[in-house]
Amino acid sequence: DTAVSQTPKYLVTQMGNDKSIKCEQNLGHDTMYWYKQDSKKFLKIMFSYNNKELIINETVPNRFSPKSPDKAHLNLHINSLELGDSAVYFCASSRRTDTQYFGPGTRLTVL
Amino acid sequence: GESVGLHLPTLSVQEGDNSIINCAYSNSASDYFIWYKQESGKGPQFIIDIRSNMDKRQGQRVTVLLNKTVKHLSLQIAATQPGDSAVYFCAENPRTGNQFYFGTGTSLTVIP
Repeated sequence: DTAVSQTPKYLVTQMGNDKSIKCEQNLGHDTMYWYKQDSKKFLKIMFSYNNKELIINETVPNRFSPKSPDKAHLNLHINSLELGDSAVYFCASSRRTDTQYFGPGTRLTVL
Repeated sequence: GESVGLHLPTLSVQEGDNSIINCAYSNSASDYFIWYKQESGKGPQFIIDIRSNMDKRQGQRVTVLLNKTVKHLSLQIAATQPGDSAVYFCAENPRTGNQFYFGTGTSLTVIP
């Protein structure tokens, strides 16, 4: 059984489009995250939600909007995609501040 | 932001040898550290963790050493195998919330 799943795995789109990435965890965790990994493999946190409430919002353009319909889901919506948004996006979850478990990633390519 | 850096971006070892991956962290208040392994095309996977009240922790073929005096963390892999080839990240939690700060990663290549 997949612990943290993301869809889609690959996303190729044109500049200016709006897209969403979905994340689900079946671990019963109360905290979920979105990370961006650039081409140099650097992992940077974007958002963190605890019990459906935003608790971390790093310096991320407001074109990125996370939405948490329930504790098991944290979706990422991106408006007006730009070339610089191309990266691999990882969802993760944890129980409070314990170990974070990562999803398989979504490779976003903006053309 | 916090700075978690790795000394070597790439490391090549012969199969069967031991590997040592190093990490320097900057926040002396950090009390929880994790090593992750990321294989190509996959998300980071938990390997081993250590809290600041310990200086050594062992797992299966892996050992993490923590030196709080010099703010240094290392991951030792015994009898390295081809399946150990991956990018390894250290991450620190500075006790200011749920946020972990990740290092830049070390790419380990195991030569058969």
